Amino acid sequence: DAGVTQSPTHLIKTRGQQVTLRCSPKSGHDTVSWYQQALGQGPQFIFQYYEEEERQRGNFPDRFSGHQFPNYSSELNVNALLLGDSALYLCASSLQVFPYNEQFFGPGTRLTVL
Amino acid sequence: ELKVEQNPLFLSMQEGKNYTIYCNYSTTSDRLYWYRQDPGKSLESLFVLLSNGAVKQEGRLMASLDTKARLSTLHITAAVHDLSATYFCAVDGDLSGGGADGLTFGKGTHLIIQP
Repeated sequence: DAGVTQSPTHLIKTRGQQVTLRCSPKSGHDTVSWYQQALGQGPQFIFQYYEEEERQRGNFPDRFSGHQFPNYSSELNVNALLLGDSALYLCASSLQVFPYNEQFFGPGTRLTVL
Repeated sequence: ELKVEQNPLFLSMQEGKNYTIYCNYSTTSDRLYWYRQDPGKSLESLFVLLSNGAVKQEGRLMASLDTKARLSTLHITAAVHDLSATYFCAVDGDLSGGGADGLTFGKGTHLIIQP
């Protein structure tokens, strides 16, 4: 049973560029959440997708956008990259079964903005 | 704004000793999660605590939840070097009980266990 997968593993971009990160959820999961983890910090919630719609959003600017596809996979797009966007981007998947909200994390994409 | 505070943020201990990591949170949510992260790696789910008084144990780790005090603890018994990692607690903001929501994490406790 494949877990959560993310691509690419590492990415180097320059300021002002745009980036797209991809995530495939764990088999059977229907919800995808994205998190940003700066070095030495806890992950910060960016947004969550369910049924191809953004269900909830954290405190991130509109430069951060996303999409969920019918097969539940998801993309995170970041426009006009800033140096401060350098971080580990984690995708987590879960299943909408109350009360459980156990989120399973992928290996992450390490983004470096120069 | 939901806040999650962990302490200590850094802990160095010797093998064989016991210790406790504390996690305080500001919301009335009664769902709390513990994760482990090894350097350069992703997060591994350790425990899901869903109700007041919940206690879960796996090996040398035991987690508990007191929703009235808004406090969770992660207790380490007879620590071994392999438990060295960063431990995060997280709370979700879903107060309606309707389903999954984004998690709010603490800053993490960096645990080093000396042989």
